[in-house]
Amino acid sequence: EVQLVESGGGLVQPGSPLKLSCAASGFTFSSNWLNWIRQAPGKGLEWVASINPDGSSTYYPDTVKGRFVVSKDNAKNTGYLQMNNLRSEDTAMYYCARTGFAYWGQGTLVTVSS
Amino acid sequence: DVVMTQTPPSLSVAIGQSVSISCKSSQSLVASDKNTYLNWLLQSPGRSPKRLIYQVSKLDSGVPDRFSGSGSEKDFTLKISRVEAEDLGVYYCLQGTHLPLTFGSGTKLEIK
Repeated sequence: EVQLVESGGGLVQPGSPLKLSCAASGFTFSSNWLNWIRQAPGKGLEWVASINPDGSSTYYPDTVKGRFVVSKDNAKNTGYLQMNNLRSEDTAMYYCARTGFAYWGQGTLVTVSS
Repeated sequence: DVVMTQTPPSLSVAIGQSVSISCKSSQSLVASDKNTYLNWLLQSPGRSPKRLIYQVSKLDSGVPDRFSGSGSEKDFTLKISRVEAEDLGVYYCLQGTHLPLTFGSGTKLEIK
């Protein structure tokens, strides 16, 4: 069974860093893209980052470029989203999803507030 | 950036009725490999999104054939025939052809 489990969310102050994890099982993690998507409270979905199967290429929208870094450790079947210089507008549920957005995790909530 | 214009924002339908949701993109979604990367997702209340359809019209495993996708280039439609209670939630289109990847604003389906 394909599973993606996010962790690492929490309440942080503006300007703080936070690192999210996405533990994968039930499929060949090293052969899959990993995507991060967020959803602000009561709002729609926003793509945040993608990384290719071997981790050599990463992609971001302008809203997070230069602040967020996506990575994956294929030996540990785990992906990461390092978020730096967090802003109040980064408050959201963060989901990871594999290639093609066919499978999603349950999400981890990040709240940025003083 | 590719803008995905999704309509209507909400629908209220009776069980057994059929509905259609439209998604129009500001650019053609035909990729250099000739595939069209247009997906439809459903987010049921309190749940994570779930992909229903990929590449315009291909149903994901386990998705009832009451769901169908159609369209090309910049104009796409999700149709649900014979709506059931379990279909309620918010439907999103997602284009995967151009970076940045972009979602439609969502269509909330309610059951009368």
